[in-house]
Amino acid sequence: GQSLEQPSEVTAVEGAIVQINCTYQTSGFYGLSWYQQHDGGAPTFLSYNALDGLEETGRFSSFLSRSDSYGYLLLQELQMKDSASYFCAAPKGFNKFYFGSGTKLNVKP
Amino acid sequence: NAGVTQTPKFRVLKTGQSMTLLCAQDMNHEYMYWYRQDPGMGLRLIHYSVGEGTTAKGEVPDGYNVSRLKKQNFLLGLESAAPSQTSVYFCASSSGPGPPIAKNIQYFGAGTRLSVL
Repeated sequence: GQSLEQPSEVTAVEGAIVQINCTYQTSGFYGLSWYQQHDGGAPTFLSYNALDGLEETGRFSSFLSRSDSYGYLLLQELQMKDSASYFCAAPKGFNKFYFGSGTKLNVKP
Repeated sequence: NAGVTQTPKFRVLKTGQSMTLLCAQDMNHEYMYWYRQDPGMGLRLIHYSVGEGTTAKGEVPDGYNVSRLKKQNFLLGLESAAPSQTSVYFCASSSGPGPPIAKNIQYFGAGTRLSVL
């Protein structure tokens, strides 16, 4: 089967660094994607890791360790606008994606 | 550039009624998807299409049908709505297949909030 586990909620203060973890059990694993969704909004793509290691895009970085079946999204210099839900997603075959249940990030002043 | 447009944005149905949700994309994408999102459950794939005239079942296809008669449109139908189909429905599109061939960035519409009473 396919499962991706994420914490349901994380709270951090403005300006801090926060890490959102994702552990997965998938067959035929090809990589891990991350999406951001603000309340009432549409999910938007953040990053994708095909290989082990760190991918950096501005304040956001994503990490993957295939040997540990684990990845994380790192958000630096947190801003209030980063308050949102974050989903990890993994492909099944070429055409399907499975999403984790999401982590709600609360950024406090 | 509109991206992915879903209509309607909100709808209330009575049990047993039927309706069609429309998704339109203007990015010339081959792949299109329908997901439903329920509280605490993330996004679950209902049906998807890898090109005009093709459709395939996803994770939770029961009670839904789809059609992709034109490349830019992907329709999701509920023939006899049930309260269990109360959810937020998202359509997405991507330019091609996913890993290991490509990154597969999915572009989502704003969603349709459906309540079935």
